[in-house]
Order: sequence, then structure tokens, then C-alpha cells
Amino acid sequence: AQSVTQLGSHVSVSEGALVLLRCNYSSSVPPYLFWYVQYPNQGLQLLLKYTTGATLVKGINGFEAEFKKSETSFHLTKPSAHMRDAAEYFCAVTLLSGYSTLTFGKGTMLLVSP
Amino acid sequence: GAGVSQSPSNKVTEKGKDVELRCDPISGHTALYWYRQSLGQGLEFLIYFQGNSAPDKSGLPSDRFSAERTGGSVSTLTIQRTQQEDSAVYLCASTWTSGKRETQYFGPGTRLLVL
Repeated sequence: AQSVTQLGSHVSVSEGALVLLRCNYSSSVPPYLFWYVQYPNQGLQLLLKYTTGATLVKGINGFEAEFKKSETSFHLTKPSAHMRDAAEYFCAVTLLSGYSTLTFGKGTMLLVSP
Repeated sequence: GAGVSQSPSNKVTEKGKDVELRCDPISGHTALYWYRQSLGQGLEFLIYFQGNSAPDKSGLPSDRFSAERTGGSVSTLTIQRTQQEDSAVYLCASTWTSGKRETQYFGPGTRLLVL
């Protein structure tokens, strides 16, 4: 079975600062990894996903994540935070190519201050 | 354009009552998913419909939960004899696949509170 751990339920950064949201996974076979974002009063949106190939994945809104097998990590980064990035971010893992068996982390709330 | 819609947006019910949650996916999307988001628990997969195939019910937490999708479009999630631990946000999503590209769209969710 797979599992996901997101370190830190809340992360606070200043506008313009680096954003780093941590995600570690546990999986018995190579995983497929996802980051989702949930803005206030909105549904979830897929930010990016890793399936195979290049380990550095670029997503929407300037976010990217790097799959590091040796560290079992898939941390989400953005070089410069914007106020509009304030939202809750979920890391997820599945062992299949579809979405049917996604396991989600508990989420990290990103707070951006002026 | 129209996105995934869910109704009701909020539902308060008494323990033991049945509830029905509705999801209208984006027209033409063949795959539909139900998830729930409990406080402090993150997201949990419930059930998945893909075209005319038998649904993947592996995430349903108990036999009090059921879902159907009529005509390959609208889906209804039914919770019978609700319990307080059923309180959560129930999210529906539909997915459009074109070649190797998959795009998933989530609805705003139904917030269920069981008293």
C-alpha cells in the first residue's frame, strides 16, 4: 500500500520568497505522484503530475516538483511567491496510471504575506 | 464555460437519515470520481465511473454508501443511515482524456454535517 506525508500543516512565506512544500511518499513499486491546489471556496485543481520520464515536472502558475527516488520525495517549489498562491496544497500518490486509487496527504496551507 | 457542479452546496442532517448528493460533470467527460475531505484527514477516494464499465467501488467506506451514474452523465452519491463521522466535504471530479493528456476538473463540493 502507498502513503503520503506532507510536512507542515501550514507554511508561511513573504511575497517574492521561495515556496517549498514538502511531500514524502511510501510505495512498494514506482509511484505516480501529483500535486493539487485548492483555493478558498473553489474545487481542487491539478497543479502537476509525475508519471515517468523527466524527474523535474513543471506545472501551472510557475510551480514545479522534482521526483527523487532515493529520498522518496516529491517536493513542490516556486521561486517567487505571489499573494494569489495562498491556498491549500495536496500531494497524492497512486500506483496506477489513472486516478482511481489516489492516496492524498493531509494538505499544507500556504500563507503569503505582503 | 460550465464546470462540474454539485448540489446541494451544504447539507445538514440528523444522524440516521439518508442523504443524496448530486454531481453534474462536464458534458463529454467519460470519467467521474467521488472523493471526500474530512477535517484533518485529507482527501479520500470513494468511487470511480469510467464510461460503461463497472464502477470502481473500492474506496467506499461501508455498505451505507452507494453511487450511481445515469446515462453516463449525472451521478448521485447516497449515504444511508448517516453517522456523525460521515460529516465531510464530498467532492466530485470529471476527467477528460485526449491522447496522453488528462485533465481533471473538480466541483465545489457538498459540505455535509451530520448532527
